[in-house]
Amino acid sequence: GAVVSQHPSWVICKSGTSVKIECRSLDFQATTMFWYRQFPKQSLMLMATSNEGSKATYEQGVEKDKFLINHASLTLSTLTVTSAHPEDSSFYICSAQRGQGFTYNSPLHFGNGTRLTVT
Amino acid sequence: QQPVQSPQAVILREGEDAVINCSSSKALYSVHWYRQKHGEAPVFLMILLKGGEQKGHDKISASFNEKKQQSSLYLTASQLSYSGTYFCGTELDAGGTSYGKLTFGQGTILTVHP
Repeated sequence: GAVVSQHPSWVICKSGTSVKIECRSLDFQATTMFWYRQFPKQSLMLMATSNEGSKATYEQGVEKDKFLINHASLTLSTLTVTSAHPEDSSFYICSAQRGQGFTYNSPLHFGNGTRLTVT
Repeated sequence: QQPVQSPQAVILREGEDAVINCSSSKALYSVHWYRQKHGEAPVFLMILLKGGEQKGHDKISASFNEKKQQSSLYLTASQLSYSGTYFCGTELDAGGTSYGKLTFGQGTILTVHP
């Protein structure tokens, strides 16, 4: 099956520093990837849609200057949490689909997530 | 427009059945079902696209009602491996086309005991 690799699995950083999370589709190309945030025992909240070669589309209430998304190739999207603060601590998960854009009849393949702890 | 899942939690013994519901106030283009185990990535179960559709594999099946606003996931003869949090992901129907993203329900925690 399709594999999405997310790295790192966990990271602990000091307040004010930046953290980069990578999401790779290992055996397929994805023009669109999605970044979610999940708090303990809560739902997956869509943060932004990452589009290869163009600007990401952010959901309402998500600060684009704080959560920088870059989708430089068909297999890699990165999320950088800039000037991280303790309230940014969360579980971040990426997902991707095969092919171009979002396809309504195709499953999302999720990475294993990144646990971010800001001290 | 986050879909509403019910119940929030279910506790079963092996072999028992469960139903998880996912409802939307607006018509949906599609419904996805995923299962997530603690600390792991959500895993795809199935997609429903058409009103009145039913599908399944092994002992997990799902339905999508005619109005395309409600879906149910059926787990029969549950196994220990079914334990986890089940999420429905819905895609709103923008007049016959997709909004191009999934919005997930709040999840249903399923616990299966021996």
